[in-house]
Amino acid sequence: GDQVEQSPSALSLHEGTGSALRCNFTTTMRAVQWFRKNSRGSLINLFYLASGTKENGRLKSAFDSKERYSTLHIRDAQLEDSGTYFCAGSGTGGYKVVFGSGTRLLVSP
Amino acid sequence: NAGVIQTPRHKVTGKGQEATLWCEPISGHSAVFWYRQTIVQGLEFLTYFRNQAPIDDSGMPKERFSAQMPNQSHSTLKIQSTQPQDSAVYLCASSLGGIYAEQFFGPGTRLTVL
Repeated sequence: GDQVEQSPSALSLHEGTGSALRCNFTTTMRAVQWFRKNSRGSLINLFYLASGTKENGRLKSAFDSKERYSTLHIRDAQLEDSGTYFCAGSGTGGYKVVFGSGTRLLVSP
Repeated sequence: NAGVIQTPRHKVTGKGQEATLWCEPISGHSAVFWYRQTIVQGLEFLTYFRNQAPIDDSGMPKERFSAQMPNQSHSTLKIQSTQPQDSAVYLCASSLGGIYAEQFFGPGTRLTVL
């Protein structure tokens, strides 16, 4: 079945720095979503991409369906960016979104 | 827009009791999904409704689990004779429809079966 490998599983950043999260898919995905789990445990939609790149503030995401990966770039990290980030792909199952295992991001002063 | 609403947020049941979980999708969304999240299995698809009709329940355990969508404003997931292994966070999501449409998730219901 469709599988998603998300890396890294944990990431520590100092304020003002940046990094990238990555999801590799074992099969061709038609779309990808990125979420952040907030302090209440809710999944907040960050990006939805069927292809290409999108940018929102200090976050930028890219999705390459052919190469089977997606990335989420965070620049100028702030303390409030701390949390767990998930990617999710819509693959052969269409509506059956498959999730990565998450990246726990900790931004420190 | 309140987003997807799920109630209760937490539910504790004794082994063998019944649990009913509620989901109110975003107004105007025609598709509703149920997922289950555990530490061991991650997020698992359970079932999917489109325009209130059940489309795919391939992820539902064949016994004890059932889902309904009696109207466009809510869906329920019922677990009969709950077992400790049913303990999980149950997530509901909705979308505008379309096979690869963006899904919006509710906060989940944390079910604990003692």
